Amino acid sequence: DVVMTQTPVSLSVSLGGQVSISCRSSQSLVHNNGNTYLSWYLQKPGQSPQLLIYKVSNRFSGISDRFSGSGSGTDFTLKISRVEPDDLGVYYCGQGTQYPLTFGSGTKLEIK
Amino acid sequence: QVQLKESGPGLVQPSQTLSLTCTVSGFSLTSYNVHWVRQPPGKGLEWMGRMRYNGDTSYNSALKSRLSISRDTSKNQVFLKMNSLQTDDTGTYYCTRDKAEIWFAYWGQGTLVTVSS
Repeated sequence: DVVMTQTPVSLSVSLGGQVSISCRSSQSLVHNNGNTYLSWYLQKPGQSPQLLIYKVSNRFSGISDRFSGSGSGTDFTLKISRVEPDDLGVYYCGQGTQYPLTFGSGTKLEIK
Repeated sequence: QVQLKESGPGLVQPSQTLSLTCTVSGFSLTSYNVHWVRQPPGKGLEWMGRMRYNGDTSYNSALKSRLSISRDTSKNQVFLKMNSLQTDDTGTYYCTRDKAEIWFAYWGQGTLVTVSS
């Protein structure tokens, strides 16, 4: 199975600030078809996860451009700029390149 | 509007079988994949298995011996059955749908399952 390792486990940021979350996979996430199926999800308190970013850097419909994804191969990053109160929650990376599909253990974002 | 809604018993006794239903609307099960993902209290996400648009299924090998996913396209429902439940199967169970090659684009609200005697 592909192991997804996220860092840090938690972080605290001031409103208006910027944060980065790292996600590293135990194997390359480049699929045979050339696509890289790395996604980012946010789970707000008491809610279901919601998709933010798919295929490394594509924002899902309705997602603010304050969220951006980058990376390749086994190393990926989610950046959140101009942090707002509604951004708090747990962020997960997930891979869809190889079955079983797997997720990182999450990064909890707190607002200072 | 794409909607998924999970339903099932909130409480299951150890060693018993869990049966959950995901009722969908706004799309056809013959056009999109639907997955089951679960989350123990305070912990991360675990992919359980998938019902493909063509009826094929895939399972997490860690659960494969206990898990079955099926569907009724006429009722717009996907079913999860898992036997031999233990306390560490307690958690929130979600159904979620893909969009083209975008995994888990839409999520249900989740249903909490507690395994306890």
